[in-house]
Amino acid sequence: QVHLQESGPGLVRPSQTLSLTCSVSGGSISSGDYYWSWLRQPPGKGLQWIGFIYHSGTTYYNPSLKSRLSTSVDVSSNQFSLKLTSVSAADTAVYYCARGPHSWDTNGDFDLWGQGTLVTVSS
Amino acid sequence: SYVLTQPPSVSVAPGQTARMTCGGNDIGSKSVHWYQQKPGQAPMVVISYDRDRPSGIPERISGSNSGNTATLTISRVEAGDEADYYCHVWDSSSDDVVFGGGTKLTVL
Repeated sequence: QVHLQESGPGLVRPSQTLSLTCSVSGGSISSGDYYWSWLRQPPGKGLQWIGFIYHSGTTYYNPSLKSRLSTSVDVSSNQFSLKLTSVSAADTAVYYCARGPHSWDTNGDFDLWGQGTLVTVSS
Repeated sequence: SYVLTQPPSVSVAPGQTARMTCGGNDIGSKSVHWYQQKPGQAPMVVISYDRDRPSGIPERISGSNSGNTATLTISRVEAGDEADYYCHVWDSSSDDVVFGGGTKLTVL
């Protein structure tokens, strides 16, 4: 059974870089069946897609975040990561990693989610 | 950019039917996915590709999509269905994932 777990600092200073890692267990990132995604949810608000990455490095990013965003995959560790630069209070949110969409269909859903991790941007 | 519109709230008595809509321009030509999110939990997909139920999702939950409106229907509503529900599509014109603002389902 595939399980996803986010990890990273819970507090980031304004203008600094937010870095998170998602560890995948029970399945291989390099299986080729899925993209691996990041999403977030500001406190009390709705869901926002951040981006997704394939194990080969192919990425799709939210156009509004693209200039500050980078993602990577570490196949040997079965992890994928997120870096968001120049953060502000508006980036305070619960950050989720998720599996999906299927590699053959970017129209697909996010079928498995991590529990989420709260990242607060504050001095 | 593509916009999905959901009513902020829907209320229904136990045993009745809840219908939650997701409006978008020609949404019927897109694949719509629905997520349930209970307080303090991660979202969980309850309907994918307009009407497919993942394993473990009860038959009481169904989806449809036509024209400018997609609908999530929950029959015989139970207290445990109380949650926020989000719709999601892929906007191929901008390579962007779009979520609706979410609907809070209250079971009276």
